[in-house]
Amino acid sequence: DGGITQSPKYLFRKEGQNVTLSCEQNLNHDAMYWYRQDPGQGLRLIYYSQIVNDFQKGDIAEGYSVSREKKESFPLTVTSAQKNPTAFYLCASSIPASQETDTQYFGPGTRLTVL
Amino acid sequence: AQSVTQPDIHITVSEGASLELRCNYSYGATPYLFWYVQSPGQGLQLLLKYFSGDTLVQGIKGFEAEFKRSQSSFNLRKPSVHWSDAAEYFCAVSGDSWGKFQFGAGTQVVVTP
Repeated sequence: DGGITQSPKYLFRKEGQNVTLSCEQNLNHDAMYWYRQDPGQGLRLIYYSQIVNDFQKGDIAEGYSVSREKKESFPLTVTSAQKNPTAFYLCASSIPASQETDTQYFGPGTRLTVL
Repeated sequence: AQSVTQPDIHITVSEGASLELRCNYSYGATPYLFWYVQSPGQGLQLLLKYFSGDTLVQGIKGFEAEFKRSQSSFNLRKPSVHWSDAAEYFCAVSGDSWGKFQFGAGTQVVVTP
């Protein structure tokens, strides 16, 4: 079955540590995205990548980093510079053949808690 | 810039009753509009989308949405809700720039017996 997997489902981090969240897709989608979700704020875009070896900052990129070395993988690193990293992180992917057909599909999410 | 407003943070509805969730958008041209549903601790699932054509769009799980350009709205409806429809619902708009979706803050739906 095609889909998007995120691991781990729950992640605990001590203050000052970097952590990396995994996102893998086997949908053969070109574009991938990382969102942060906080209660009452909807989804906010952290980073996105349209093709391999290229990525762009979203609305809240500070304190985060990404890489896109393979089409199917888009890991997100939450660095110690991120002041309030406790949140639910969602990865998404899309084709898109054109902007009109651009539909994002989501993984199950990773809940990060800073202790 | 594009934006999305979901005026209702929380809605309580009885099982079997009808449901309507409001979504208003701000965008200069014809937007691409989406509704997603999220169960607790899960990712988002696409319910339906509007790109062009018929302004009444049918989706999965018995949901439909109507695009009204004059009102800048894309409201989601279901004639008869089931207990399994309890979830958070997000409206999203795309079109301002490639790959950039703008999500509303979400509407939490509670279904009572």
